[in-house]
Amino acid sequence: DAKTTQPPSMDCAEGRAANLPCNHSTISGNEYVYWYRQIHSQGPQYIIHGLKNNETNEMASLIITEDRKSSTLILPHATLRDTAVYYCIVREYSGAGSYQLTFGKGTKLSVIP
Amino acid sequence: NAGVTQTPKFRVLKTGQSMTLLCAQDMNHEYMYWYRQDPGMGLRLIHYSVGEGTTAKGEVPDGYNVSRLKKQNFLLGLESAAPSQTSVYFCASSTDRGGTEAFFGQGTRLTVV
Repeated sequence: DAKTTQPPSMDCAEGRAANLPCNHSTISGNEYVYWYRQIHSQGPQYIIHGLKNNETNEMASLIITEDRKSSTLILPHATLRDTAVYYCIVREYSGAGSYQLTFGKGTKLSVIP
Repeated sequence: NAGVTQTPKFRVLKTGQSMTLLCAQDMNHEYMYWYRQDPGMGLRLIHYSVGEGTTAKGEVPDGYNVSRLKKQNFLLGLESAAPSQTSVYFCASSTDRGGTEAFFGQGTRLTVV
């Protein structure tokens, strides 16, 4: 089962910041938080990941709470092309040196003109 | 640098037929994964591989077999296709380190009639 909880859907006005929350209360100390998005039915696209510190790249910012039990993905200036399903994932250690990516249902973000 | 390439992109099978989906990556990644995605659902892990010659079961392995004879290729086989296997199949690859992202292919749409 996915170790994360996300709202099923959100709306955001074009040009405004989109803040997508994620709860991962059972995360362990060496597990990373990853965010992916899936536009229409394309393959998931990597956005950003983090362990403890806040992270920023050209696509988004990731804010992780100090207790690491939740995080927020921020798209600073949402455009219509950001309409997609956003997945928050905790990369689980599944033994033998492997790390599974377990997807939940994600948040469907609709950017509105 | 093509990343992750899946072939074929589309396929229609009759119940009971067999087929093999091919995933190829050119990033020298250790890990490779096969997921399926049903309408309105997140991705579910079928099988994965942590290196050449090794495979492991994921969340929904029944009805599928896999092989990783070469590091760059991960094959997903359906020996006797069933309508319940109608889905979109995604392949992904990643390094063996926990703090790196996985790259996804563009998917194979399989319909079993």
